[in-house]
Amino acid sequence: QKEVEQDPGPLSVPEGAIVSLNCTYSNSAFQYFMWYRQYSRKGPELLMYTYSSGNKEDGRFTAQVDKSSKYISLFIRDSQPSDSATYLCAMQNSGTYKYIFGTGTRLKVLA
Amino acid sequence: EAGVVQSPRYKIIEKKQPVAFWCNPISGHNTLYWYRQNLGQGPELLIRYENEEAVDDSQLPKDRFSAERLKGVDSTLKIQPAELGDSAVYLCASSQGQSNTEAFFGQGTRLTVV
Repeated sequence: QKEVEQDPGPLSVPEGAIVSLNCTYSNSAFQYFMWYRQYSRKGPELLMYTYSSGNKEDGRFTAQVDKSSKYISLFIRDSQPSDSATYLCAMQNSGTYKYIFGTGTRLKVLA
Repeated sequence: EAGVVQSPRYKIIEKKQPVAFWCNPISGHNTLYWYRQNLGQGPELLIRYENEEAVDDSQLPKDRFSAERLKGVDSTLKIQPAELGDSAVYLCASSQGQSNTEAFFGQGTRLTVV
């Protein structure tokens, strides 16, 4: 079993839809949770990070962490075609400082 | 502020040949990471440096891969000899410190071994 599980998609939604992206994990030592966006042939770009459980909002993006369920989510409101990319979740082990990435979910927002 | 700079962007080599990748992290970032990303997968850590010290190289295939970070700034990752299965994107990232969660990635080097 992988430490971090993420549905690879692809996920296609119409413009303006609310998008929900999710990851599950198995390691209780993960304390920091990140979401990266990766456009084709580019490096990952950090969107948001959260410490422990809770919500964090930044513009159209909201990150949620539920440590009791070992489940994290990224919501994108009013999705735009420019949001079309692969979204990677990542988690950092607070003891080893090691990042573990999910496989990424490919999102396509249709105009 | 310049981001993480990697070169070359693309490299095509024949199997059994050597190859090297170079990374210049963001100024002031002590932590440097090399990741490998296979098609359709997330990045996987190869090695992490704190300044010039490799603090986590457990995932680095040491029979053919080597890395260095002289003076704790630039870094090079080398493969010798390359195998077909090494075809991937090699990503460099940096952060201010190992406990800093904001890691910034370069564009990556896309390696094709033929």
